[in-house]
Amino acid sequence: DAKTTQPPSMDCAEGRAANLPCNHSTISGNEYVYWYRQIHSQGPQYIIHGLKNNETNEMASLIITEDRKSSTLILPHATLRDTAVYYCIVRSNTNAGKSTFGDGTTLTVKP
Amino acid sequence: EAGVAQSPRYKIIEKRQSVAFWCNPISGHATLYWYQQILGQGPKLLIQFQNNGVVDDSQLPKDRFSAERLKGVDSTLKIQPAKLEDSAVYLCASSLSRELPQHFGDGTRLSIL
Repeated sequence: DAKTTQPPSMDCAEGRAANLPCNHSTISGNEYVYWYRQIHSQGPQYIIHGLKNNETNEMASLIITEDRKSSTLILPHATLRDTAVYYCIVRSNTNAGKSTFGDGTTLTVKP
Repeated sequence: EAGVAQSPRYKIIEKRQSVAFWCNPISGHATLYWYQQILGQGPKLLIQFQNNGVVDDSQLPKDRFSAERLKGVDSTLKIQPAKLEDSAVYLCASSLSRELPQHFGDGTRLSIL
């Protein structure tokens, strides 16, 4: 599975959009982009995933570039409860689970 | 629906002792995963089960770690004997199938003295 690169930390003002980037330049055609987040002392929580089209759910939006080498997770109106470590992983659905979590981005939402 | 249940929540042992962790996945989830998460790092997959068969255990230190999933439901992960570097959070996750997102438990925090 392809590896991902994320900035180690980001800040965001409460109520503003949080845009978290992820680089996955070695992604292959059958690999999906998944995002999870981990709040302190809890297990990771699934947020969203996509293959090549942009996706939106009640938690976030996922924008994948046309060449699929990078993506951005958007939290449209960040709250203090969104403070967490966000992980971007790529994962082949033909061998799901064999995916590598990097060290993620620590997002701090400030009042 | 009830989430992935793990116990104990915390465990403190001395090095060279043995320890076991238990996981009860979400009902009906065929795929079960065990991860190790060292402080400040992302989770690392140790083993993956599909029903009661092992799909991937390439990163499991088999000289000291073992895992089983009897009857394709609950699972236990054992460390025997423990080393100082095994101090970590051990996370269990499950999914309906290998192609679907994983649901994680809150983990067992293991401290080795």
